[in-house]
Amino acid sequence: GQQLNQSPQSMFIQEGEDVSMNCTSSSIFNTWLWYKQEPGEGPVLLIALYKAGELTSNGRLTAQFGITRKDSFLNISASIPSDVGIYFCAGQRNSGGSNYKLTFGKGTLLTVNP
Amino acid sequence: NAGVTQTPKFQVLKTGQSMTLQCAQDMNHEYMSWYRQDPGMGLRLIHYSVGAGITDQGEVPNGYNVSRSTTEDFPLRLLSAAPSQTSVYFCASSWTGGRAEAFFGQGTRLTVV
Repeated sequence: GQQLNQSPQSMFIQEGEDVSMNCTSSSIFNTWLWYKQEPGEGPVLLIALYKAGELTSNGRLTAQFGITRKDSFLNISASIPSDVGIYFCAGQRNSGGSNYKLTFGKGTLLTVNP
Repeated sequence: NAGVTQTPKFQVLKTGQSMTLQCAQDMNHEYMSWYRQDPGMGLRLIHYSVGAGITDQGEVPNGYNVSRSTTEDFPLRLLSAAPSQTSVYFCASSWTGGRAEAFFGQGTRLTVV
């Protein structure tokens, strides 16, 4: 099946540092989503991207939909301890029929040292 | 706002037992899906439904059944539990059409011994 390659797998950073992570695919996606999962909880949507080249911010988070439609990036600026969690990217190919399905990356585990 | 509600939150089963994981959403979403999450594997799609009466298999459907009799509910049945089904299970729902954002429940942590 389709796969999303998410990197890095894990990051250990100091509070205040900026963070970058990305997802790449061999297939084109029409939608990119970024989720955060905290321990014992379900994933929570952070940012949704619907247009190639789109750059969208949510507070200290900024995500971009790659021009080729095969990648997406998430940046977190000035990290704080509550940013700790697993960040997932997800892609959707098309609307209609089985193409509502999302394909998920394997996640980036972020640890922030105070 | 309840969103997506999953029950139970924790469950321990013996090998061979059957059980149903419940999922309900109150957002009138057409699309619902079940995922399992295992360490290092991300979220893998088990089954999904695009509306009442319509279900289909995802990436890892073996050992699981689903049905969708109403828009709100999408239960996942384990027919004969196996240790390989020890995992955290998430239900998600979303609109169909142009908006892809999926909303997740809090998960069910299942252990099969």
